[in-house]
Amino acid sequence: SAVISQKPSRDICQRGTSLTIQCQVDSQVTMMFWYRQQPGQSLTLIATANQGSEATYESGFVIDKFPISRPNLTFSTLTVSNLSPEDSSIYLCSVRTGGSFNEQFFGPGTRLTVL
Amino acid sequence: DQQVKQNSPSLSVQEGRISILNCDYTNSMFDYFLWYKKYPAEGPTFLISISSIKDKNEDGRFTVFLNKSAKHLSLHIVPSQPGDSAVYFCAASAGGGADGLTFGKGTHLIIQP
Repeated sequence: SAVISQKPSRDICQRGTSLTIQCQVDSQVTMMFWYRQQPGQSLTLIATANQGSEATYESGFVIDKFPISRPNLTFSTLTVSNLSPEDSSIYLCSVRTGGSFNEQFFGPGTRLTVL
Repeated sequence: DQQVKQNSPSLSVQEGRISILNCDYTNSMFDYFLWYKKYPAEGPTFLISISSIKDKNEDGRFTVFLNKSAKHLSLHIVPSQPGDSAVYFCAASAGGGADGLTFGKGTHLIIQP
């Protein structure tokens, strides 16, 4: 498995601003993923972030709204831009440690509330 | 269109008995399936997984069964313990697990003493 931390753990933001969420892993991983869990809903994949390449976004998610950086094999950031109340969600990063392990391990999440 | 479905929002089971959580999927490209457990204010915790080349995988009290023809999988927990009370998510992936995960909406399992 992997130990994953996220910062901040929660935040309250004003409409129109942006929030950048950091994800740190205790080991080098090739594949990192960002998910969103809206209130009362399941987890939805936003994008896949591999080091050395542009993030790959799922249908319904665009780079202008959710820019992602992946500067090295242990770190990634997700920015949620131009915030609206509909962006109020829990944002989670996950990693796939690779090799024979296909499981994904999740961070604790960042709870975002937009006023 | 929901590709992974967990049709029971909640399930109540007596301590010591078997808990059976069900999951159905529609995408034939899915070939790797996982179960996660989630407590409030925490990220999902990986429980157990199964590849489409198998029909059963066991790990301690947890067993996952896969019926590919029916596009159905289930998680059995036996015996159920109070600490098992949580929300359980079924997830699926294509590409042998290399892709991102598609999640069901979850089942809230409540273990009654």
